[in-house]
Amino acid sequence: ETGVTQSPTHLIKTRGQQVTLRCSSQSGHNTVSWYQQALGQGPQFIFQYYREEENGRGNFPPRFSGLQFPNYSSELNVNALELDDSALYLCASSRDSSNYGYTFGSGTRLTVV
Amino acid sequence: TQLLEQSPQFLSIQEGENLTVYCNSSSVFSSLQWYRQEPGEGPVLLVTVVTGGEVKKLKRLTFQFGDARKDSSLHITAAQPGDTGLYLCAGAPAGGTSYGKLTFGQGTILTVHP
Repeated sequence: ETGVTQSPTHLIKTRGQQVTLRCSSQSGHNTVSWYQQALGQGPQFIFQYYREEENGRGNFPPRFSGLQFPNYSSELNVNALELDDSALYLCASSRDSSNYGYTFGSGTRLTVV
Repeated sequence: TQLLEQSPQFLSIQEGENLTVYCNSSSVFSSLQWYRQEPGEGPVLLVTVVTGGEVKKLKRLTFQFGDARKDSSLHITAAQPGDTGLYLCAGAPAGGTSYGKLTFGQGTILTVHP
C-alpha cells in the first residue's frame, strides 16, 4: 500500500503571499489531519478533514484553510504569509476520524522570507 | 488547552546504556502515542497505549501508560546508534469532541554514540 505523499517537499515564499500544500492520503484512509512543526518543537494540530468536511480545528487563524477531495486527498492553504509561518507542515491520514493509527507524510518545508 | 510536558529535551548517551523518556500532563487522554522522527521525515508511529496501566514492549523499547491516563514513559534498554532520533509523545483527547487533535510533547532528541 502507498503511504502519505506530500508536495512540494520544499517551498520558499515571500511575506504576504499565499501558498497551497498538497497531501495524498494512504490507500484506504479517509481522514486527513494537518500539523505545523516549528524547528525544535513538536507538531501543532491545525485541522482535520473527514468526508470532505472540517472535523476539528486547532488554534490557528482563519487564513489557514483546507479542502478534502472525494479521493480523500487534501490541500492546506495559507493566505497572507507571515515570517512565523516558516515551518514543516505535516499531513497525517487515518482510516477514520478516530485518534488511532496515524500515518504521517514526510512534510513540506515552508520558508517565508 | 491540553499540554504534554516531555523530558528530557536532550539525551546524549553511549551505546549500551539504558534510558527513559517521560511524558506528563494534568489532562486525561484517551490514548497516548509514541512516534520517532528522523531529520527531513515525518513522525513514524511506534506504539499506541490505550488502557491505564498498560505496558507494551517492542523489542528493546518498553512503553507504559499511567494508571490515570495522564502520563507515559518510554524506556530503551541497551541503546544502539540506530535509536538516534527525535522521540515524540502525543495524546488523544478524552471525550468525543476533538477528533484528530493530537497534542504533542516538544520532543526528546536522543543521540546514541558508538
